[in-house]
Amino acid sequence: EPEVTQTPSHQVTQMGQEVILRCVPISNHLYFYWYRQILGQKVEFLVSFYNNEISEKSEIFDDQFSVERPDGSNFTLKIRSTKLEDSAMYFCASSRQGDNSPLHFGNGTRLTVT
Amino acid sequence: GNSVTQMEGPVTLSEEAFLTINCTYTATGYPSLFWYVQYPGEGLQLLLKATKADDKGSNKGFEATYRKETTSFHLEKGSVQVSDSAVYFCALSTDNYGQNFVFGPGTRLSVLP
Repeated sequence: EPEVTQTPSHQVTQMGQEVILRCVPISNHLYFYWYRQILGQKVEFLVSFYNNEISEKSEIFDDQFSVERPDGSNFTLKIRSTKLEDSAMYFCASSRQGDNSPLHFGNGTRLTVT
Repeated sequence: GNSVTQMEGPVTLSEEAFLTINCTYTATGYPSLFWYVQYPGEGLQLLLKATKADDKGSNKGFEATYRKETTSFHLEKGSVQVSDSAVYFCALSTDNYGQNFVFGPGTRLSVLP
């Protein structure tokens, strides 16, 4: 069964550095998402992406965050200048179409900001 | 706005016990409802879903029925196993585009042998 894959599985970075989290959604999916989960807390929506543009974003997704689909397969989340509070699990997800299709999640990237 | 409430965990059960994890929601429109499961060290996996009132989602012995009158989607399993130990998230989606899923806070289940 096709999967959403995320790399790396764990990223350690220093405060103020830029990080790029990478995702390869399922190939015939059209909608892409990033969520994050701070340790022990709830899963929070960051951003959704469709037709090469952001369709929705949350308050968390401020100017420090950006997303890109640089080619036909990758979907990236960039954090421009990381803060300690950005430490979390970041999950990429994709769905086939917009009729409340279920999201398919990757296994996540654990980001640790020191 | 839309929201999902789940019973607080952790829930600790013995193997073969009956499981119920309560989930209620608040939403505009007619949401689709989902249960996701997160095993230790892994991502979120879709467990089951229901897209309209009175639908029953089922998978791996788990069931949940979409109850519009009580705005609930309680997860049940008749006989849990140690391998069911995980965090369970109830979620809803009302969007046709953009799919801003709303997750509940998660309920941690521990099943003891």
